[in-house]
Amino acid sequence: EDQVTQSPEALRLQEGESSSLNCSYTVSGLRGLFWYRQDPGKGPEFLFTLYSAGEEKEKERLKATLTKKESFLHITAPKPEDSATYLCAVQGMDSSYKLIFGSGTRLLVRP
Amino acid sequence: DAGVIQSPRHEVTEMGQEVTLRCKPISGHNSLFWYRQTMMRGLELLIYFNNNVPIDDSGMPEDRFSAKMPNASFSTLKIQPSEPRDSAVYFCASSFSDRAAFFGQGTRLTVV
Repeated sequence: EDQVTQSPEALRLQEGESSSLNCSYTVSGLRGLFWYRQDPGKGPEFLFTLYSAGEEKEKERLKATLTKKESFLHITAPKPEDSATYLCAVQGMDSSYKLIFGSGTRLLVRP
Repeated sequence: DAGVIQSPRHEVTEMGQEVTLRCKPISGHNSLFWYRQTMMRGLELLIYFNNNVPIDDSGMPEDRFSAKMPNASFSTLKIQPSEPRDSAVYFCASSFSDRAAFFGQGTRLTVV
């Protein structure tokens, strides 16, 4: 069964303090790994898709990387507006396109 | 494009009543997902449609839940009868094949 584990559950950072969020996954053949951001009261917002080990994607202060067993979301010099819950999801090589989500990391960036 | 549109945004109903949640996916997308989000269980996939056909409904909690997709631009999730433990935020999402799924704003359901 496909599984996704995210750590830490919650993370508090000072503005400008860089850090990384982890997403470990077990899937019988990875089709894609997805990162989302979710603000309170809203639906998840798509950030990145990674397809193969060694791949990296960047957007502003965020960079996502992928290995054969895990993905990292690196946040460089975060700002308070980066505060949100970050969700990781995997899509397996089976015939469906469903996404299996982890429980997320709640990030709080203090000014 | 307006994105995935869900209605209603909020629903409060009494236990035993029927609840119908609605979703309009992004035009051109061929996959549609219904998810449920709670603090305890996170985002759970309830059912997944591809080209309007239900492919995987293994996440539907019990027979009280049903979902339909009569055409490419509309889907419903129905709970009958509703129970307090069904209280959650229900999200609809759509995608084109294996591309990223885009989510609606969700329906917050409260069953009292």
